[in-house]
Amino acid sequence: DAGVIQSPRHEVTEMGQEVTLRCKPISGHDYLFWYRQTMMRGLELLIYFNNNVPIDDSGMPEDRFSAKMPNASFSTLKIQPSEPRDSAVYFCASRKKRVGGNTIYFGEGSWLTVV
Amino acid sequence: AQKITQTQPGMFVQEKEAVTLDCTYDTSDPSYGLFWYKQPSSGEMIFLIYQGSYDQQNATEGRYSLNFQKARKSANLVISASQLGDSAMYFCAMREVTGGGADGLTFGKGTHLIIQP
Repeated sequence: DAGVIQSPRHEVTEMGQEVTLRCKPISGHDYLFWYRQTMMRGLELLIYFNNNVPIDDSGMPEDRFSAKMPNASFSTLKIQPSEPRDSAVYFCASRKKRVGGNTIYFGEGSWLTVV
Repeated sequence: AQKITQTQPGMFVQEKEAVTLDCTYDTSDPSYGLFWYKQPSSGEMIFLIYQGSYDQQNATEGRYSLNFQKARKSANLVISASQLGDSAMYFCAMREVTGGGADGLTFGKGTHLIIQP
């Protein structure tokens, strides 16, 4: 089975440019998560969706960040305008809705560098 | 207060020895899940093992086992017969099922494990 698929794997962009990160969750999964990983702050939950509806976006750092999930198989995380402090690895993850374990599976991450 | 605490920033272990990575957690939720993930230098997050708060037995997955001590709120990962390929960052994480926290995972800061030949 295909895992969580993210693109691009690596992106280098100039400050002020718009960045769009894409994610395809595992088929049949109800929840989709966007995480950010930095050396200073570790892994942080930015936003998550349940059945394509944003449930909690309290982790989104600023209005420059936005996320959408137009259908069950696609989500985007957009940064506009980007800043050097946005440089990080952005992970998308998904899981099924079920009481108990519900292991969250991660994509390989999108490595963003803003110069 | 931190919800997940990993007190070992780094560890060096000889190949073939057993390894214990510490994790303590803090929650008032009676129902929760504890997870361990491995992050090799290539960067992906690999799920290793899961323990539910109501599970009676400690979880095991191949060479991985979770030493779950509920009263002490600890969920240590044990890797038996370590291999060079086990060198990676290891993250402990928790999901609180009822009330309180988000539906996602709260992660610890991680332990950088290096296996020496």
